[in-house]
Amino acid sequence: AQSVAQPEDQVNVAEGNPLTVKCTYSVSGNPYLFWYVQYPNRGLQFLLKYITGDNLVKGSYGFEAEFNKSQTSFHLKKPSALVSDSALYFCAPLSGSWGKLQFGAGTQVVVTP
Amino acid sequence: DSGVTQTPKHLITATGQRVTLRCSPRSGDLSVYWYQQSLDQGLQFLIQYYNGEERAKGNILERFSAQQFPDLHSELNLSSLELGDSALYFCASTPGERPSYEQYFGPGTRLTVT
Repeated sequence: AQSVAQPEDQVNVAEGNPLTVKCTYSVSGNPYLFWYVQYPNRGLQFLLKYITGDNLVKGSYGFEAEFNKSQTSFHLKKPSALVSDSALYFCAPLSGSWGKLQFGAGTQVVVTP
Repeated sequence: DSGVTQTPKHLITATGQRVTLRCSPRSGDLSVYWYQQSLDQGLQFLIQYYNGEERAKGNILERFSAQQFPDLHSELNLSSLELGDSALYFCASTPGERPSYEQYFGPGTRLTVT
């Protein structure tokens, strides 16, 4: 069975410090992996994706993620967090051959000034 | 603004009723996806359409149905509503069928069943 885990319900970080949001997955075959962000009372916004190629993927708003096949992880990172990065972050591997995303439970990021 | 529109923004209705949620994809996008977001179930995929045809189904209840029209807008019909159907319903769109496309999400419809 395919699954995704975001082990932290919430991540607290001070502005200017590095931010990491963890994600591990279990999918058959070569994984397609996505990160989305949800701001309060808004829809989800695409951040970045891993399809193939370089294990380090760069995305929107200064975010990047590292695909680690041996650890089946796809952690989201940002070198220097901003207060405006406070939001709900979702890791979503693709499930099946169509565009069916399987979302993790989400990690609430709180960046304090 | 993702370019995906959803109407209405909010919907309050009673148990047993039927509602229709509407989604217009980004201009030129052929695929539409529906998701349900609730506190207890999280974000769950419901159904996908591509150019009018159903492509994939998730844990969509039999009381729920959807379709995609020739002009590519989509509607999600929820009937015999129960309190547990209260949730945020999102639609998303992509240009085509390739699973590698990122999905663009609408702002959602918040359904409250009383």
